[in-house]
Amino acid sequence: GENVEQHPSTLSVQEGDSAVIKCTYSDSASNYFPWYKQELGKRPQLIIDIRSNVGEKKDQRIAVTLNKTAKHFSLHITETQPEDSAVYFCAASVTRNNRLAFGKGNQVVVIP
Amino acid sequence: DGGITQSPKYLFRKEGQNVTLSCEQNLNHDAMYWYRQDPGQGLRLIYYSQIVNDFQKGDIAEGYSVSREKKESFPLTVTSAQKNPTAFYLCASSRAGGGQPQHFGDGTRLSIL
Repeated sequence: GENVEQHPSTLSVQEGDSAVIKCTYSDSASNYFPWYKQELGKRPQLIIDIRSNVGEKKDQRIAVTLNKTAKHFSLHITETQPEDSAVYFCAASVTRNNRLAFGKGNQVVVIP
Repeated sequence: DGGITQSPKYLFRKEGQNVTLSCEQNLNHDAMYWYRQDPGQGLRLIYYSQIVNDFQKGDIAEGYSVSREKKESFPLTVTSAQKNPTAFYLCASSRAGGGQPQHFGDGTRLSIL
């Protein structure tokens, strides 16, 4: 099955700086890649997703890039704010079903 | 997302007891999912259902059972065969087909008495 890995496990950034989280996946058939943000004790919330026919997608301060050849995709957060502090999960799935394989998460800490 | 309701928020299980976690959605989604989350771990798929009266095992189905008798409901039973049930359980739903965003409920935290 699909195996998704996230790096680094913890990331600390100064407020206003950029944060980048990278995920790698194993199944070349995967074609849907969402990112979720989870605050402590709360539900994961979808923040952005990308499909394999697109190389990059942006939504305000958040962007995701996909490199299908290298089988990795990255989340970019610019101008970080304290409310960006959370655990971020990446996931991957294939079209034939909607089974998501999740990474173990990255703790992002934005230092005021 | 307000359209997915999980209950109860906290649940305690005694030794040898089966407990059922509720998940209801009013988003008219065909597909529903159950995940288990342990500290420092990602979400692991327990069971999923793509249509009423049909469901498939995920990666960690042992010790769990589900039913999908109604489109809006997908209850999860944690049986006594699940020896380490303490975890945060998340239900999600999505439209049918691949590449559909999954939306999560608020979760149920299950602990052993």
